[in-house]
Amino acid sequence: SQQGEEDPQALSIQEGENATMNCSYKTSINNLQWYRQNSGRGLVHLILIRSNEREKHSGRLRVTLDTSKKSSSLLITASRAADTASYFCATDERGSNYKLTFGKGTLLTVNP
Amino acid sequence: DAGVIQSPRHEVTEMGQEVTLRCKPISGHNSLFWYRQTMMRGLELLIYFNNNVPIDDSGMPEDRFSAKMPNASFSTLKIQPSEPRDSAVYFCASSSYRGGTEAFFGQGTRLTVV
Repeated sequence: SQQGEEDPQALSIQEGENATMNCSYKTSINNLQWYRQNSGRGLVHLILIRSNEREKHSGRLRVTLDTSKKSSSLLITASRAADTASYFCATDERGSNYKLTFGKGTLLTVNP
Repeated sequence: DAGVIQSPRHEVTEMGQEVTLRCKPISGHNSLFWYRQTMMRGLELLIYFNNNVPIDDSGMPEDRFSAKMPNASFSTLKIQPSEPRDSAVYFCASSSYRGGTEAFFGQGTRLTVV
């Protein structure tokens, strides 16, 4: 079953703009992670935010977590054409013995 | 480390045949996950192991699917008999849950059942 639900399903922006993707989930979590997938490739881990954290930064990435609303957002600043990919959130469900489940993803297209 | 290694990368088989997908996790990782990805259903967790023990196989779609992890360095996902609706990309991922459960993915096996 799907835990996370990303929104929007697809996003198209111009190079240099910021991209924001959202994720909602259903259960209590230990942490939430964001991954990136280029077409035809495996997923690559981007950033992990723990349930007791509210915001985290890594380079051009900014992740927020609101456990009261069971939601997270991923912001990519100053986007580049190379950021074109699908982005997924994944949750490590509390009490699940490290079960990691993914949403359906957001397809981001950055136009040069 | 070479990362998570899956084989084969592509598999085309006829309906009714047995299919075996293989995965070698990253050395030292103690969790292994099998996922299936399709356009319609996204990335579904089929089964995962901790320390070679299956923890949750509730995502395995039918009894035609089975997975084993005989040791810490090898896992298989078997489909017998295969059906056209099994066509998908199958990913294996591994993680060290002491490290916060960041998962490392293989390149996937693209399975086509005709």
